[in-house]
Amino acid sequence: EADIYQTPRYLVIGTGKKITLECSQTMGHDKMYWYQQDPGMELHLIHYSYGVNSTEKGDLSSESTVSRIRTEHFPLTLESARPSHTSQYLCASSARGARNEQFFGPGTRLTVL
Amino acid sequence: KNQVEQSPQSLIILEGKNCTLQCNYTVSPFSNLRWYKQDTGRGPVSLTIMTFSENTKSNGRYTATLDADTKQSSLHITASQLSDSASYICVVSDRGSTLGRLYFGRGTQLTVWP
Repeated sequence: EADIYQTPRYLVIGTGKKITLECSQTMGHDKMYWYQQDPGMELHLIHYSYGVNSTEKGDLSSESTVSRIRTEHFPLTLESARPSHTSQYLCASSARGARNEQFFGPGTRLTVL
Repeated sequence: KNQVEQSPQSLIILEGKNCTLQCNYTVSPFSNLRWYKQDTGRGPVSLTIMTFSENTKSNGRYTATLDADTKQSSLHITASQLSDSASYICVVSDRGSTLGRLYFGRGTQLTVWP
Protein backbone atom coordinates (compact mmCIF):
# COMPACT_ATOMS: atom_id res chain seq x y z
CA GLU A 1 0.00 0.00 0.00
CA ALA A 2 1.43 3.36 -1.08
CA ASP A 3 1.83 6.12 1.52
CA ILE A 4 -0.25 8.72 -0.26
CA TYR A 5 -3.36 10.15 1.30
CA GLN A 6 -6.30 12.17 0.11
CA THR A 7 -8.98 13.95 2.08
CA PRO A 8 -11.86 14.13 2.04
CA ARG A 9 -12.76 10.81 0.42
CA TYR A 10 -16.25 12.04 -0.44
CA LEU A 11 -17.55 15.60 -0.71
CA VAL A 12 -21.01 16.89 -1.61
CA ILE A 13 -21.30 20.66 -1.84
CA GLY A 14 -23.45 23.35 -3.38
CA THR A 15 -22.65 25.43 -6.43
CA GLY A 16 -20.40 28.43 -5.84
CA LYS A 17 -18.55 27.05 -2.82
CA LYS A 18 -14.79 27.16 -2.55
CA ILE A 19 -13.19 23.80 -1.88
CA THR A 20 -9.72 22.40 -1.34
CA LEU A 21 -8.86 18.76 -1.92
CA GLU A 22 -5.90 17.64 0.13
CA CYS A 23 -3.13 15.28 -0.99
CA SER A 24 -0.11 14.24 1.04
CA GLN A 25 2.63 11.68 0.52
CA THR A 26 5.27 10.45 2.93
CA MET A 27 7.59 8.85 0.37
CA GLY A 28 9.64 11.98 -0.31
CA HIS A 29 8.66 11.94 -3.98
CA ASP A 30 9.57 14.97 -6.07
CA LYS A 31 6.83 14.61 -8.67
CA MET A 32 3.13 14.88 -7.87
CA TYR A 33 0.06 14.80 -10.08
CA TRP A 34 -3.66 15.43 -10.11
CA TYR A 35 -5.95 13.43 -12.36
CA GLN A 36 -9.65 13.66 -13.09
CA GLN A 37 -11.56 10.47 -13.81
CA ASP A 38 -15.18 10.06 -14.88
CA PRO A 39 -16.92 6.65 -14.79
CA GLY A 40 -15.77 4.34 -17.58
CA MET A 41 -13.31 6.91 -18.89
CA GLU A 42 -9.55 7.21 -18.84
CA LEU A 43 -7.66 9.31 -16.31
CA HIS A 44 -6.92 12.84 -17.48
CA LEU A 45 -3.94 14.79 -16.13
CA ILE A 46 -5.02 18.23 -14.90
CA HIS A 47 -1.98 19.41 -12.89
CA TYR A 48 1.53 18.25 -12.06
CA SER A 49 4.55 19.38 -10.13
CA TYR A 50 8.25 18.57 -10.46
CA GLY A 51 8.99 19.78 -6.93
CA VAL A 52 8.56 22.62 -4.45
CA ASN A 53 7.33 25.86 -6.08
CA SER A 54 6.86 24.07 -9.42
CA THR A 55 3.35 23.62 -10.84
CA GLU A 56 2.17 23.04 -14.40
CA LYS A 57 -1.17 22.53 -16.12
CA GLY A 58 -1.88 19.11 -17.58
CA ASP A 59 -3.60 18.01 -20.74
CA LEU A 60 -7.16 18.56 -19.61
CA SER A 61 -8.19 22.15 -19.06
CA SER A 62 -9.31 22.66 -15.50
CA GLU A 63 -10.57 25.65 -13.55
CA SER A 64 -8.81 24.34 -10.47
CA THR A 65 -5.48 25.59 -9.14
CA VAL A 66 -2.71 23.86 -7.21
CA SER A 67 0.21 24.80 -5.00
CA ARG A 68 3.38 23.03 -3.92
CA ILE A 69 4.88 24.77 -0.90
CA ARG A 70 6.11 21.56 0.73
CA THR A 71 7.41 18.41 -0.92
CA GLU A 72 4.84 16.19 0.74
CA HIS A 73 1.76 18.35 0.15
CA PHE A 74 -0.07 19.13 -3.14
CA PRO A 75 -3.54 20.59 -2.54
CA LEU A 76 -6.03 21.34 -5.32
CA THR A 77 -8.46 24.26 -5.00
CA LEU A 78 -11.68 25.15 -6.79
CA GLU A 79 -12.62 28.79 -6.12
CA SER A 80 -16.25 28.37 -7.19
CA ALA A 81 -17.50 24.84 -7.66
CA ARG A 82 -20.00 24.01 -10.42
CA PRO A 83 -21.94 20.84 -11.27
CA SER A 84 -19.54 20.29 -14.21
CA HIS A 85 -16.78 19.75 -11.63
CA THR A 86 -18.49 16.62 -10.37
CA SER A 87 -15.94 13.84 -10.82
CA GLN A 88 -13.37 11.62 -9.12
CA TYR A 89 -10.07 13.36 -8.39
CA LEU A 90 -6.96 11.20 -8.00
CA CYS A 91 -3.62 12.38 -6.65
CA ALA A 92 -0.40 10.53 -7.47
CA SER A 93 3.32 10.84 -6.84
CA SER A 94 6.51 9.40 -8.27
CA ALA A 95 10.19 9.49 -7.50
CA ARG A 96 12.69 10.97 -9.91
CA GLY A 97 13.92 8.33 -12.34
CA ALA A 98 11.58 5.65 -11.00
CA ARG A 99 10.59 4.47 -14.50
CA ASN A 100 7.52 6.63 -14.05
CA GLU A 101 5.79 4.38 -11.54
CA GLN A 102 3.14 6.60 -10.09
CA PHE A 103 1.59 5.71 -6.74
CA PHE A 104 -2.02 6.77 -6.44
CA GLY A 105 -4.05 7.95 -3.53
CA PRO A 106 -7.56 6.58 -2.87
CA GLY A 107 -9.23 9.52 -4.60
CA THR A 108 -11.85 12.12 -3.70
CA ARG A 109 -15.34 11.71 -5.10
CA LEU A 110 -16.69 15.25 -5.57
CA THR A 111 -20.36 15.97 -6.21
CA VAL A 112 -21.47 19.54 -6.83
CA LEU A 113 -25.21 20.11 -6.60
CA LYS B 1 -8.43 9.09 -30.65
CA ASN B 2 -7.06 7.53 -27.49
CA GLN B 3 -3.54 6.20 -27.95
CA VAL B 4 -4.30 3.25 -25.66
CA GLU B 5 -7.27 1.05 -26.51
CA GLN B 6 -8.47 -1.79 -24.29
CA SER B 7 -10.83 -4.68 -24.90
CA PRO B 8 -13.22 -5.91 -23.88
CA GLN B 9 -14.84 -2.93 -22.18
CA SER B 10 -16.37 -5.27 -19.60
CA LEU B 11 -16.17 -8.97 -18.81
CA ILE B 12 -18.04 -11.32 -16.50
CA ILE B 13 -16.53 -14.67 -15.54
CA LEU B 14 -17.16 -17.35 -12.95
CA GLU B 15 -14.87 -17.78 -9.98
CA GLY B 16 -11.99 -20.13 -10.75
CA LYS B 17 -11.99 -19.43 -14.50
CA ASN B 18 -9.16 -17.78 -16.45
CA CYS B 19 -9.45 -14.66 -18.57
CA THR B 20 -7.33 -12.48 -20.84
CA LEU B 21 -7.57 -8.73 -21.25
CA GLN B 22 -6.17 -6.91 -24.28
CA CYS B 23 -4.39 -3.60 -24.77
CA ASN B 24 -3.33 -2.00 -28.08
CA TYR B 25 -1.33 1.21 -28.13
CA THR B 26 0.12 3.69 -30.61
CA VAL B 27 2.31 5.65 -28.16
CA SER B 28 5.74 6.43 -29.55
CA PRO B 29 8.53 6.54 -28.56
CA PHE B 30 7.68 3.76 -26.15
CA SER B 31 9.22 3.57 -22.69
CA ASN B 32 7.24 1.05 -20.68
CA LEU B 33 3.79 -0.45 -20.20
CA ARG B 34 2.04 -1.05 -16.91
CA TRP B 35 -1.12 -2.82 -15.92
CA TYR B 36 -2.95 -1.27 -12.99
CA LYS B 37 -5.81 -2.69 -10.94
CA GLN B 38 -8.39 -0.21 -9.71
CA ASP B 39 -10.95 -1.32 -7.17
CA THR B 40 -14.21 0.62 -7.07
CA GLY B 41 -13.74 3.92 -5.24
CA ARG B 42 -9.98 3.45 -4.91
CA GLY B 43 -6.87 4.62 -6.71
CA PRO B 44 -5.09 2.39 -9.24
CA VAL B 45 -2.41 -0.01 -7.99
CA SER B 46 0.41 -1.22 -10.25
CA LEU B 47 0.42 -4.96 -11.08
CA THR B 48 3.24 -5.28 -13.62
CA ILE B 49 5.64 -3.16 -15.64
CA MET B 50 7.36 -4.13 -18.88
CA THR B 51 9.97 -2.32 -20.90
CA PHE B 52 10.71 -2.70 -24.61
CA SER B 53 12.95 -5.72 -24.13
CA GLU B 54 10.60 -7.67 -21.85
CA ASN B 55 7.85 -9.79 -23.36
CA THR B 56 6.37 -11.38 -20.25
CA LYS B 57 6.07 -10.55 -16.57
CA SER B 58 4.23 -12.37 -13.80
CA ASN B 59 2.86 -11.26 -10.47
CA GLY B 60 1.17 -14.18 -8.73
CA ARG B 61 -1.90 -15.14 -10.75
CA TYR B 62 -1.40 -12.19 -13.11
CA THR B 63 0.75 -12.61 -16.23
CA ALA B 64 1.32 -9.76 -18.65
CA THR B 65 2.74 -10.10 -22.14
CA LEU B 66 4.10 -7.45 -24.48
CA ASP B 67 4.72 -7.49 -28.22
CA ALA B 68 6.49 -4.21 -28.88
CA ASP B 69 6.53 -4.86 -32.63
CA THR B 70 2.76 -5.06 -32.94
CA LYS B 71 2.23 -2.71 -29.95
CA GLN B 72 -0.01 -5.13 -28.15
CA SER B 73 -0.15 -6.31 -24.57
CA SER B 74 -2.33 -8.75 -22.70
CA LEU B 75 -3.05 -9.46 -19.05
CA HIS B 76 -3.93 -13.05 -18.21
CA ILE B 77 -5.61 -13.83 -14.90
CA THR B 78 -5.47 -17.42 -13.74
CA ALA B 79 -7.94 -19.10 -11.37
CA SER B 80 -9.95 -15.94 -10.81
CA GLN B 81 -11.15 -14.96 -7.35
CA LEU B 82 -14.00 -12.72 -6.24
CA SER B 83 -11.41 -10.13 -5.18
CA ASP B 84 -10.25 -9.85 -8.80
CA SER B 85 -13.42 -7.89 -9.55
CA ALA B 86 -12.08 -4.47 -10.51
CA SER B 87 -11.13 -2.27 -13.44
CA TYR B 88 -7.83 -3.19 -15.12
CA ILE B 89 -6.10 -0.26 -16.74
CA CYS B 90 -3.33 -0.41 -19.33
CA VAL B 91 -0.93 2.54 -19.03
CA VAL B 92 1.82 3.33 -21.53
CA SER B 93 4.68 5.70 -20.86
CA ASP B 94 6.63 7.55 -23.51
CA ARG B 95 10.26 8.57 -23.25
CA GLY B 96 9.91 11.74 -25.26
CA SER B 97 9.46 14.11 -22.35
CA THR B 98 11.06 14.80 -18.98
CA LEU B 99 7.68 14.35 -17.32
CA GLY B 100 7.41 10.77 -18.52
CA ARG B 101 4.00 11.27 -19.99
CA LEU B 102 1.49 8.51 -19.21
CA TYR B 103 -1.26 7.43 -21.58
CA PHE B 104 -4.19 5.66 -19.93
CA GLY B 105 -6.66 3.22 -21.40
CA ARG B 106 -10.28 3.33 -20.30
CA GLY B 107 -9.94 0.02 -18.53
CA THR B 108 -11.66 -3.34 -18.66
CA GLN B 109 -14.27 -3.80 -15.95
CA LEU B 110 -13.95 -7.39 -14.72
CA THR B 111 -16.66 -8.97 -12.61
CA VAL B 112 -16.08 -12.36 -11.03
CA TRP B 113 -19.23 -14.22 -9.98
CA PRO B 114 -19.31 -16.99 -7.38
